[in-house]
Amino acid sequence: GENVEQHPSTLSVQEGDSAVIKCTYSDSASNYFPWYKQELGKRPQLIIDIRSNVGEKKDQRIAVTLNKTAKHFSLHITETQPEDSAVYFCAATSFGNEKLTFGTGTRLTIIP
Amino acid sequence: ETGVTQTPRHLVMGMTNKKSLKCEQHLGHNAMYWYKQSAKKPLELMFVYSLEERVENNSVPSRFSPECPNSSHLFLHLHTLQPEDSALYLCASSQEDRGHEQYFGPGTRLTVT
Repeated sequence: GENVEQHPSTLSVQEGDSAVIKCTYSDSASNYFPWYKQELGKRPQLIIDIRSNVGEKKDQRIAVTLNKTAKHFSLHITETQPEDSAVYFCAATSFGNEKLTFGTGTRLTIIP
Repeated sequence: ETGVTQTPRHLVMGMTNKKSLKCEQHLGHNAMYWYKQSAKKPLELMFVYSLEERVENNSVPSRFSPECPNSSHLFLHLHTLQPEDSALYLCASSQEDRGHEQYFGPGTRLTVT
């Protein structure tokens, strides 16, 4: 089955700086990679996703990059703000498979 | 925020009790999921129901028993749990033919004493 590793487990950045979270996956058949954000005491919510037919996707201050050859993908947050503080989870799956395999999460803290 | 609801939000139960967690989705989705979230562990998928049929059982102990009476409701029946079962139990739903986005409920914080 799929195995997803996520690093770092905790990350602190100064407000306004950039944050990068990295994930690797093991199953070369995986072709869908979402990122979820979970604020303290709240439910996980999808913030961005990428499919394997593209290498990069951007949505305002958030971007995700995918390297299929190396089987890794990354979340980039630029111009970080206090409201970006949360736990971020990466995940991987393949089309036709409803099962998402999640990474262990990264607790991001933005320092004002 | 009301697309997927869960009750109760908090539950404390003894190891000999029987209780049930309830999840309801108001999004017209056809797949529902139970996850377990423990500290410092990834979200662990427990069960998947697609079109009311269980399609995934991730080697979950039999003391957890899911039930999906229709596409909008999902239950998790609990009996003779262990302290290590204390965790946040999250329900989610998705529409299979519209991609993979899963919508999560607020979770039930379960404490087994």
